[in-house]
Amino acid sequence: GDSVTQMEGPVTLSEEAFLTINCTYTATGYPSLFWYVQYPGEGLQLLLKATKADDKGSNKGFEATYRKETTSFHLEKGSVQVSDSAVYFCALSVAGGSYIPTFGRGTSLIVHP
Amino acid sequence: KAGVTQTPRYLIKTRGQQVTLSCSPISGHRSVSWYQQTPGQGLQFLFEYFSETQRNKGNFPGRFSGRQFSNSRSEMNVSTLELGDSALYLCASREGLGAPSGVQYFGPGTRLTVT
Repeated sequence: GDSVTQMEGPVTLSEEAFLTINCTYTATGYPSLFWYVQYPGEGLQLLLKATKADDKGSNKGFEATYRKETTSFHLEKGSVQVSDSAVYFCALSVAGGSYIPTFGRGTSLIVHP
Repeated sequence: KAGVTQTPRYLIKTRGQQVTLSCSPISGHRSVSWYQQTPGQGLQFLFEYFSETQRNKGNFPGRFSGRQFSNSRSEMNVSTLELGDSALYLCASREGLGAPSGVQYFGPGTRLTVT
């Protein structure tokens, strides 16, 4: 079946540090890939997505590149802010199926001033 | 457009009781999905409704059920509550079953505590 594996958290960084959250996947078909973010007390919201190999999704300074050869979709940001503290979820959905996303376990990011 | 709304936001129930949670999707969205989020299991898919019919189902016992109304609003019911049902229940909507790339829009969730 389909699955997503994320690095375990929490990831603790100082403000302006570089962020990488690793995500690898296993899919039965050709997936679209997503990063969702959940701020404290809120539901998930889409951060970025990529629908084919070598695509780069980007939003709010975050980036992730769809790497088919390594089945990865790592999230990066060059300089994190305290306001980026949240839980980040990597997800995939496979075309031709139900399109219900398969989510990773989530990675908590804590950014200190 | 208004986002996905869920009511109530917080709920405390006793073991053995039943509970009903409500979700209103984004206007024009016909698909509603429900998820359970817990620290131990992460985000788990419960079921999806489209045009008042359950289209997809996760691996949960029959105590968990749902329905969708003609205006796309959805309710989820949990009967005979167990302590392990304490969780954040998230509702998500999308335009249709074949919505490109599977993007979903989530509500803020209902925090259920079972004592």
